[in-house]
Amino acid sequence: DAGVTQSPTHLIKTRGQQVTLRCSPKSGHDTVSWYQQALGQGPQFIFQYYEEEERQRGNFPDRFSGHQFPNYSSELNVNALLLGDSALYLCASSLGSVDSPLHFGNGTRLTVT
Amino acid sequence: QKEVEQDPGPLSVPEGAIVSLNCTYSNSAFQYFMWYRQYSRKGPELLMYTYSSGNKEDGRFTAQVDKSSKYISLFIRDSQPSDSATYLCAILPYNQGGKLIFGQGTELSVKP
Repeated sequence: DAGVTQSPTHLIKTRGQQVTLRCSPKSGHDTVSWYQQALGQGPQFIFQYYEEEERQRGNFPDRFSGHQFPNYSSELNVNALLLGDSALYLCASSLGSVDSPLHFGNGTRLTVT
Repeated sequence: QKEVEQDPGPLSVPEGAIVSLNCTYSNSAFQYFMWYRQYSRKGPELLMYTYSSGNKEDGRFTAQVDKSSKYISLFIRDSQPSDSATYLCAILPYNQGGKLIFGQGTELSVKP
């Protein structure tokens, strides 16, 4: 039973560019959340998608946007990259219940130069 | 003041020791409490999940929640080198699905 899978595993971009990260949820899960984890810090909530709609959003600018597809997979897009966007981006999946525990993928390491 | 405070360590213990990891939180509306383990270059792995005050045990791991003090703990008995990782406490406010609030994480090293 496949867990949460993310691609790519590593990415290097230049300041000002745009990036798309992808996530496939754990089998049976229908909800996807995205988190940003800076080095030495705990993950910070970006947003959550359920039924192809953004259900919750954290304190991230509009440069961060997302999408969920009918098969429950999801994308995270970041526009106008800044050096401070360098981080590990984690995708987590869960069942639709708002208190369902989250299961994380291994993340995409984004470096902005 | 951060909503969830966690001592970042690092914490180094000998194999077989009992490890105590702790977090405090500020908002009494927090309802669900979790502990995640994160190995280097990996995503967080769910260890324990609870919503009530008291203890929950799973093998060598015990999670403890004290809502009156807004304090949560994770105890690891008979620690092993394979337990060396960063441990993250995470709290889910009521009806805020997916919006986990994490502590900074405590880096643990268990020496053989």
